[in-house]
Amino acid sequence: GAGVSQTPSNKVTEKGKYVELRCDPISGHTALYWYRQSLGQGPEFLIYFQGTGAADDSGLPNDRFFAVRPEGSVSTLKIQRTERGDSAVYLCASSSGQGGEKLFFGSGTQLSVL
Amino acid sequence: QKEVEQDPGPLSVPEGAIVSLNCTYSNSAFQYFMWYRQYSRKGPELLMYTYSSGNKEDGRFTAQVDKSSKYISLFIRDSQPSDSATYLCAMSARTDKLIFGTGTRLQVFP
Repeated sequence: GAGVSQTPSNKVTEKGKYVELRCDPISGHTALYWYRQSLGQGPEFLIYFQGTGAADDSGLPNDRFFAVRPEGSVSTLKIQRTERGDSAVYLCASSSGQGGEKLFFGSGTQLSVL
Repeated sequence: QKEVEQDPGPLSVPEGAIVSLNCTYSNSAFQYFMWYRQYSRKGPELLMYTYSSGNKEDGRFTAQVDKSSKYISLFIRDSQPSDSATYLCAMSARTDKLIFGTGTRLQVFP
């Protein structure tokens, strides 16, 4: 596609539920990133994929958060047992993976945990 | 102390003004410096990209990096109401993880 696509754009869930957030990167981009942005803050790094493998998952806050990219294209961020503190905008970005990375972001998924 | 510090603003200027946005950082290993613009309910959009020290100009935008002072700037000339947005600085020591500032909210009024 022309840009990074994220679905859903909004997700409202109840505390304790499981959610999945999807990211479809720019075609041909090998690197994919997940960031989380809280209100009034800059994006905070969560995880980075190069191809199918997670090259750096040091930003995942705890074991309730997990992300996959099984075919090296679409990625899914999974959050188990959601908590109210998980409410934020989850941003996905992709890049060519050629080095000196210029990241291209999607519009994000606004997650609200009630 | 955060790795990247950025004044959150808000910054309010009249149309046509020159705007100066700044970030400081503590990690001397940072080599890649970027400015992103973010409109409300949208993802960040890359504006300027600089490797190492120096200046870069693109239209009304100029980015400056001073690695000796660990200080980066973005200048916007002839500011327009359409420039009203949040401006995020971002930097990286390697090619895999960007560290962002908190963002400065800019409003340009007619």
